[in-house]
Amino acid sequence: DVKVTQSSRYLVKRTGEKVFLECVQDMDHENMFWYRQDPGLGLRLIYFSYDVKMKEKGDIPEGYSVSREKKERFSLILESASTNQTSMYLCASSPDWNTGELFFGEGSRLTVL
Amino acid sequence: GDSVTQMEGPVTLSEEAFLTINCTYTATGYPSLFWYVQYPGEGLQLLLKATKADDKGSNKGFEATYRKETTSFHLEKGSVQVSDSAVYFCALSNFGNEKLTFGTGTRLTIIP
Repeated sequence: DVKVTQSSRYLVKRTGEKVFLECVQDMDHENMFWYRQDPGLGLRLIYFSYDVKMKEKGDIPEGYSVSREKKERFSLILESASTNQTSMYLCASSPDWNTGELFFGEGSRLTVL
Repeated sequence: GDSVTQMEGPVTLSEEAFLTINCTYTATGYPSLFWYVQYPGEGLQLLLKATKADDKGSNKGFEATYRKETTSFHLEKGSVQVSDSAVYFCALSNFGNEKLTFGTGTRLTIIP
């Protein structure tokens, strides 16, 4: 089974802190994604990556950055956390383009105080 | 840009009831359409998909038909079970890529 593992299920941070959310997939997938999930807004794409060291902005990249130094790992970075970044963050991977099947982790719920 | 609209929730049904969750989309070109499901405490997983007009996707007793004329992809199940309680997301991808556009999700609760 494909497994996408997010390092932290729950985090509580303070405004202005730097936050790292880590995601690892074990199926050698090319593509990885970070979404945030908010009630009434569904899932919104923050960033995605189709190869090591490659990244593309999604629909809501402001306030976030990403890093993909190894194929299996995709990190989401909040340089200076703000309260409006309190959300559920979902990491996903997919083997190639044109299938539409994403494999999701269980999510990381971030609260910024 | 592309968008997906799905019916507001939450939806509460009795066991063995018939389920419909409406989904309509706006997109240029010929998108592929998907339903994802998120069970409590878990990540999203693909439930079914359809890649061209009039295709029917099906899985676990759920079905959805890609209707280009009405730009719809409604999810149906003839007899729901308590284990179907989850949040359901309609989504599309366009131009043959993995960058999915999701709807807002519909929370379904089935009561015994």
